[in-house]
Amino acid sequence: GEDVEQSLFLSVREGDSSVINCTYTDSSSTYLYWYKQEPGAGLQLLTYIFSNMDMKQDQRLTVLLNKKDKHLSLRIADTQTGDSAIYFCAESFSGSARQLTFGSGTQLTVLP
Amino acid sequence: NAGVTQTPKFQVLKTGQSMTLQCAQDMNHEYMSWYRQDPGMGLRLIHYSVGAGITDQGEVPNGYNVSRSTTEDFPLRLLSAAPSQTSVYFCASRTEGQETQYFGPGTRLLVL
Repeated sequence: GEDVEQSLFLSVREGDSSVINCTYTDSSSTYLYWYKQEPGAGLQLLTYIFSNMDMKQDQRLTVLLNKKDKHLSLRIADTQTGDSAIYFCAESFSGSARQLTFGSGTQLTVLP
Repeated sequence: NAGVTQTPKFQVLKTGQSMTLQCAQDMNHEYMSWYRQDPGMGLRLIHYSVGAGITDQGEVPNGYNVSRSTTEDFPLRLLSAAPSQTSVYFCASRTEGQETQYFGPGTRLLVL
């Protein structure tokens, strides 16, 4: 999606923290999401944040939202080899349909 | 629950052929969507439905038709396949009041 941008690749060492970044352009977005896609599989929702929140933590995952800069990040603590996947950020807007606009995805590679 | 199922998993078509990609969910979800995933472009919304008998266009609807005669099924039809429709197609569903969209495993389509 042209309205949501991500860097294409990120490599980290096992045990380090990973930070995946995303920028979006539409300030009216209501929810922002992080999805994970493993090879040959569909997308799995990892976490999401409502647009009036700044931060959300869920076990090893921390989502930070900077509405002023329209910047969303996903931090994965103690990254494991099983975290290797493509990570998509997405936004949706108010309304019942809640259709998603996706970024192009960040390929996370975890090195041993 | 089987969740969201898609058939076929892989299909090769010749230009001009027609086919239907099947999607079914057994979670009684009101909302269903079709996305296509192309390299470096994330997922783009093709069509979506907010309930049986109701469908609407997404970002890239040209060349595709949908119908929603039952809550469970949301088929995607290609009337005259073109090489530009070579992609991976994902179906997703969601229920009212929940943010989680459940994705199917995808259908890989190659149009020669």
